[in-house]
Amino acid sequence: QVQLKESGPGLVQPSQTLSLTCTVSGFSLTSYSVHWVRQHSGKSLEWMGRMWSDGDTSYNSAFTSRLSISRDTSKSQVFLKMNSLQTEDTGTYYCARATVATDYWGQGVMVTVSS
Amino acid sequence: DIVMTQSPSSLAVSAGETVTINCKSSQSLLYSGNQKNYLAWYQQKPGQSPKLLIYWASTRQSGVPDRFIGSGSGTDFTLTISSVQAEDLAIYYCQQYYDTPYTFGAGTKLELK
Repeated sequence: QVQLKESGPGLVQPSQTLSLTCTVSGFSLTSYSVHWVRQHSGKSLEWMGRMWSDGDTSYNSAFTSRLSISRDTSKSQVFLKMNSLQTEDTGTYYCARATVATDYWGQGVMVTVSS
Repeated sequence: DIVMTQSPSSLAVSAGETVTINCKSSQSLLYSGNQKNYLAWYQQKPGQSPKLLIYWASTRQSGVPDRFIGSGSGTDFTLTISSVQAEDLAIYYCQQYYDTPYTFGAGTKLELK
């Protein structure tokens, strides 16, 4: 059974770094890519980046220089790190598995950037 | 970046009606190498994660009812929901995965009339 679960702090202070973990089960990170997608409350979806099955990464240039995606295949985990957080980074962060399109999504983790 | 424009932004329907949601991309999503359109449709209900309905513009994801039909090619795409049911009330998004960043449309909210 394919599952993805995001975890991380619900509250981050402005200018600090966000660290999120996506723990997957039911599939191998070396066979499928994992995407990170963000959604501001009541708004559309914003693709952030992707960890490919071969370990390569792709990023949305809107986040370039402050976003990093990595993984630990032994723990079936994909990590998102984003620095210099601002209030506009408040939202729900999802990880999702992709074959062609993103076919399985985590439940999402809500992150609030506030002092 | 490829811009995805959805219309309408909201739609009020009665159960049993057929609805059409449009999605237009700022450049072609048809890859000549395999003649596939890199376009997906998602459904998102309140408080839930998006759910993949359609990929390759017209291929239904496993388990998705056949009343959901995707069509179109190039830059113009349509999601048709025939005989809408109460459980279909949600927000629908199109997404291109032709080129990064994989952009989404703004969404179409399906509401009950």
